[in-house]
Amino acid sequence: DQQVKQNSPSLSVQEGRISILNCDYTNSMFDYFLWYKKYPAEGPTFLISISSIKDKNEDGRFTVFLNKSAKHLSLHIVPSQPGDSAVYFCAASGDAGNNRKLIWGLGTSLAVNP
Amino acid sequence: DSGVTQTPKHLITATGQRVTLRCSPRSGDLSVYWYQQSLDQGLQFLIQYYNGEERAKGNILERFSAQQFPDLHSELNLSSLELGDSALYFCASSWDRGRSTDTQYFGPGTRLTVL
Repeated sequence: DQQVKQNSPSLSVQEGRISILNCDYTNSMFDYFLWYKKYPAEGPTFLISISSIKDKNEDGRFTVFLNKSAKHLSLHIVPSQPGDSAVYFCAASGDAGNNRKLIWGLGTSLAVNP
Repeated sequence: DSGVTQTPKHLITATGQRVTLRCSPRSGDLSVYWYQQSLDQGLQFLIQYYNGEERAKGNILERFSAQQFPDLHSELNLSSLELGDSALYFCASSWDRGRSTDTQYFGPGTRLTVL
């Protein structure tokens, strides 16, 4: 049962354009969401996060939007650069008592073409 | 460089064998997490240790076990290995006991191949 879904396994965009990566979740108890980026032969690195009390969080070229009613979040990268080519993972967590676990999506492979 | 180190980088072994993966967290981090990433799978949380004690368990098989030592490094032991255990195993660390708002810093992973 995939509680966090990234339905697009891959995405290709031109350099300078916007990249939009999508993530859907099913558990209404999730209240914190994160995006991680992963290059080949490296571990994932934290990119940006958003709490459910917000609907938008921005950090430089990266913006995450949260639509709680649709249980959907998206990561926008503007403008996209070739160095952004990586696998992007969406992760979510909720208050399950004393501890939280991150539930991860399967990732979307982004290719930014020069 | 995240500051999290994992050894070995690659491991090739046979079915039925036992292996140990090692992780050193970032300096000052008290929590260590283990994840498994199989082909076409997302990151599956296995287990978390905080300051030497088991804090949370995920989809960890009974054949797998882990521990965190007083110097805070951690080891993941995989025994009676099966072909399906072939995967990337990541270790991550964070400062706090595991609130999701704590950023987890990942190591480069250990690629395990079971033949």
